[in-house]
Amino acid sequence: EAGVAQSPRYKIIEKRQSVAFWCNPISGHATLYWYQQILGQGPKLLIQFQNNGVVDDSQLPKDRFSAERLKGVDSTLKIQPAKLEDSAVYLCASSFPRGQANTGELFFGEGSRLTVL
Amino acid sequence: AQSVTQPDIHITVSEGASLELRCNYSYGATPYLFWYVQSPGQGLQLLLKYFSGDTLVQGIKGFEAEFKRSQSSFNLRKPSVHWSDAAEYFCAVRIKAAGNKLTFGGGTRVLVKP
Repeated sequence: EAGVAQSPRYKIIEKRQSVAFWCNPISGHATLYWYQQILGQGPKLLIQFQNNGVVDDSQLPKDRFSAERLKGVDSTLKIQPAKLEDSAVYLCASSFPRGQANTGELFFGEGSRLTVL
Repeated sequence: AQSVTQPDIHITVSEGASLELRCNYSYGATPYLFWYVQSPGQGLQLLLKYFSGDTLVQGIKGFEAEFKRSQSSFNLRKPSVHWSDAAEYFCAVRIKAAGNKLTFGGGTRVLVKP
C-alpha cells in the first residue's frame, strides 16, 4: 500500500516569496492534516480536512497561509508571502475515521522541509 | 487547552540498557494516547496507542507504554535499546471532546552510545 506522498522534499526561498506544497494521502483516507514542525519542537496542526471540507483551521495563519483539497483527495498548502519564521518541516498526514470515535491512526508523509532566507 | 509535556529534551543511553521516556498530559477527560518515532529526515511512525482497556500496551520494535490515570502519564519503555532506536520520540494526545485534534509534545531526542 502506498504511503502519504509529499513534494517537494526540500525548498529554499527568500522571504516574501511564495511556496506551495503538495500532498497525496493514502487511497481511501477521508481525513487529511497539515502539520508544521519547527526545529526542536513537536508538530503543530495547521489545518484538518474531512473530505474536501475544513474541520479545523484555528492555528492556520490565514493572512499568509492557505490550503485546499478541492476534490477531497490531494491537497496543496501555500505560503505567500513567506517569513523567516516559516522555516520548518511541513508534514502531511491522513487517516480513515473509524466510526464515531474517529480514533483512526494518522499516517504521515516524509515532510517538506522549507528554508526561508 | 490540552497540553502534552515531555520533560526530557535529550536522553543518552548505552546500547543494551533500558530506556524510559516520560509523557504527561493536562486534560480532565481520558484521552487517546499515542507514541510516535521520527528518524532523521523521515516522517512520524506510530509505535503504539492507548484507547481503553489494559493500561499496559505493547507496540512495535519492542516498545511498551503504561497509562497511569492518577498521574496523567503515558511513559514509554524499552528493556534493551538498540543503536537503531536513536531517534526523536513524540507523545501525542487526542481528546474527542476537543475535536479529536492530535496534540504533540515537544519531543525527546534519544542518543544511543555504543
